[in-house]
Amino acid sequence: GENVEQHPSTLSVQEGDSAVIKCTYSDSASNYFPWYKQELGKGPQLIIDIRSNVGEKKDQRIAVTLNKTAKHFSLHITETQPEDSAVYFCAALAYSGAGSYQLTFGKGTKLSVIP
Amino acid sequence: DTAVSQTPKYLVTQMGNDKSIKCEQNLGHDTMYWYKQDSKKFLKIMFSYNNKELIINETVPNRFSPKSPDKAHLNLHINSLELGDSAVYFCASSPGGLSDNSPLHFGNGTRLTVT
Repeated sequence: GENVEQHPSTLSVQEGDSAVIKCTYSDSASNYFPWYKQELGKGPQLIIDIRSNVGEKKDQRIAVTLNKTAKHFSLHITETQPEDSAVYFCAALAYSGAGSYQLTFGKGTKLSVIP
Repeated sequence: DTAVSQTPKYLVTQMGNDKSIKCEQNLGHDTMYWYKQDSKKFLKIMFSYNNKELIINETVPNRFSPKSPDKAHLNLHINSLELGDSAVYFCASSPGGLSDNSPLHFGNGTRLTVT
């Protein structure tokens, strides 16, 4: 099955600096890669996603890049703000057999933005 | 208006008890899910369900059973609770199935503590 590795597990940046979180996946057939943000006491919330036919996608201060050859994708947050502090999860969607698909999550990155 | 709501938010119970967690979504989505998040924040799917099919993660003990009275509800029933069941359980929904690359909408979680 799919295996998703996420690094780093914790990341501290100064307010205004950029933050980068990287993920690798194992199943070359994976074709959908969402990123979720989880604030304390809440459920994960989708912030951006990318499909395998696209190499990069941007939404204001957030961007995601995908390298299918190397099987890795990254989340970039520019001009970080204290409210960006949260746990971020990457995920990869792959066919898991018997007509079903499974979304496999990375283990999360705790981002702290220091004012 | 909470799109995906689950109750209770906190649940403390003793080993051996049977308990249920309720989930409702008002998004009109076709598919609902239960995820388990352990103490290390790792998110793992337990079940996915639409009006046609229940897909069970084979690693989930049969003490866990989802029950769906209608398309907007997917409750989780747990028999004979064990210490290792302590975790945060998230309900989620999506417009279509995962094969559609449908984004997941999560509830805010139920923190289950088994003593």
